[in-house]
Amino acid sequence: GAGVSQSPRYKVAKRGQDVALRCDPISGHVSLFWYQQALGQGPEFLTYFQNEAQLDKSGLPSDRFFAERPEGSVSTLKIQRTQQEDSAVYLCASSLVGLAGGSYTDTQYFGPGTRLTVL
Amino acid sequence: GNSVTQMEGPVTLSEEAFLTINCTYTATGYPSLFWYVQYPGEGLQLLLKATKADDKGSNKGFEATYRKETTSFHLEKGSVQVSDSAVYFCALRKGRGTGTASKLTFGTGTRLQVTL
Repeated sequence: GAGVSQSPRYKVAKRGQDVALRCDPISGHVSLFWYQQALGQGPEFLTYFQNEAQLDKSGLPSDRFFAERPEGSVSTLKIQRTQQEDSAVYLCASSLVGLAGGSYTDTQYFGPGTRLTVL
Repeated sequence: GNSVTQMEGPVTLSEEAFLTINCTYTATGYPSLFWYVQYPGEGLQLLLKATKADDKGSNKGFEATYRKETTSFHLEKGSVQVSDSAVYFCALRKGRGTGTASKLTFGTGTRLQVTL
């Protein structure tokens, strides 16, 4: 079974470039989260989607960050005019929120992340 | 706001040693608590969880008990193996199901290295 996939796995950008990071959640998962993980730190929440609706973007660090999930499945995190402080691993997670195998589950499943390096 | 504090790493143990990784949290109400593990080169995986006070989560020989009186969720394993070498993250979630409260708040992670 396919898990959460992210692409690209590694991205090197020059300062000022725009980047787009893709997340393919597990099929049928309602909830989708983006987290940012700086080196040596734990993941920090960026934004949350329920289907196609972006219900919480309180963690986005600036208006250079934009996320979308237009059809309620694939999501893209876009960073405009990248800065060196944007260098981090960007993690995507999805969750079903419902019954699976007869029991309730809302576990978040994480993708492998995209490591962004801004030079 | 919500926060999670973990013991600093790295933790270096010999195989078959006893492991404790401390985790304490700050949150209002009754959050759910989690331990996630990140093996080298892999994504975060849920290791165990507890959703209410005095619950014990367990998986792969690891255990953690939700202690509301001490706001703690310490991870323990009686006998570690080399294959347990990874980074361990403690996390909390205020809400369940869908909704903005379902986001996770993580600690900074504790690296465990187990040697022969």
